[in-house]
Amino acid sequence: DGGITQSPKYLFRKEGQNVTLSCEQNLNHDAMYWYRQDPGQGLRLIYYSQIVNDFQKGDIAEGYSVSREKKESFPLTVTSAQKNPTAFYLCASSIGLGMVFGGDNSPLHFGNGTRLTVT
Amino acid sequence: GQQVMQIPQYQHVQEGEDFTTYCNSSTTLSNIQWYKQRPGGHPVFLIQLVKSGEVKKQKRLTFQFGEAKKNSSLHITATQTTDVGTYFCAVYSGGSNYKLTFGKGTLLTVNP
Repeated sequence: DGGITQSPKYLFRKEGQNVTLSCEQNLNHDAMYWYRQDPGQGLRLIYYSQIVNDFQKGDIAEGYSVSREKKESFPLTVTSAQKNPTAFYLCASSIGLGMVFGGDNSPLHFGNGTRLTVT
Repeated sequence: GQQVMQIPQYQHVQEGEDFTTYCNSSTTLSNIQWYKQRPGGHPVFLIQLVKSGEVKKQKRLTFQFGEAKKNSSLHITATQTTDVGTYFCAVYSGGSNYKLTFGKGTLLTVNP
């Protein structure tokens, strides 16, 4: 079955350490996204990538970095510069291409998420 | 970037009561998507609305897109405990930007 895999499900780190969250998809989607979710804050976009070797900052990119070396993979690194890294991180993908049909945009498919706790 | 305001933030109902959540934008939207996130889960795409005044139904769920394409609503008739979760609307920024911005969501709890 096609899907998006995020690993690990739970991650614990000490303050000051960088940590990388994995996201792999086998849906052959061009676009991939990282969102952060905090209680009462909804989903906030960290980074997104429309195509391999290209990515753009979202609304809250400070303290994070990404790479897109392969179509299937979009890892997110939470650096020590991120002031409040404890959160639920969601990776998603979509066909991309903006308007797929007249007026339509492709929906996002989400992974199961990684819950990061930094102490 | 594109922003949407979603209300209410929370809604608690008795099983069998109806529920509605609203999304509002200050600008005209090209389309709007709705997602549901069960407690402890991830968002799952429900539907996309594209046309002015569009109404779509999925069993007990009714989705509407305003005539001016600046607002949308999700209505659930006769809620069930399986409807519990957070409902999000989401909109794309314009042009070739694939950035999808989510509303803050409405958390629905249902008392059996």
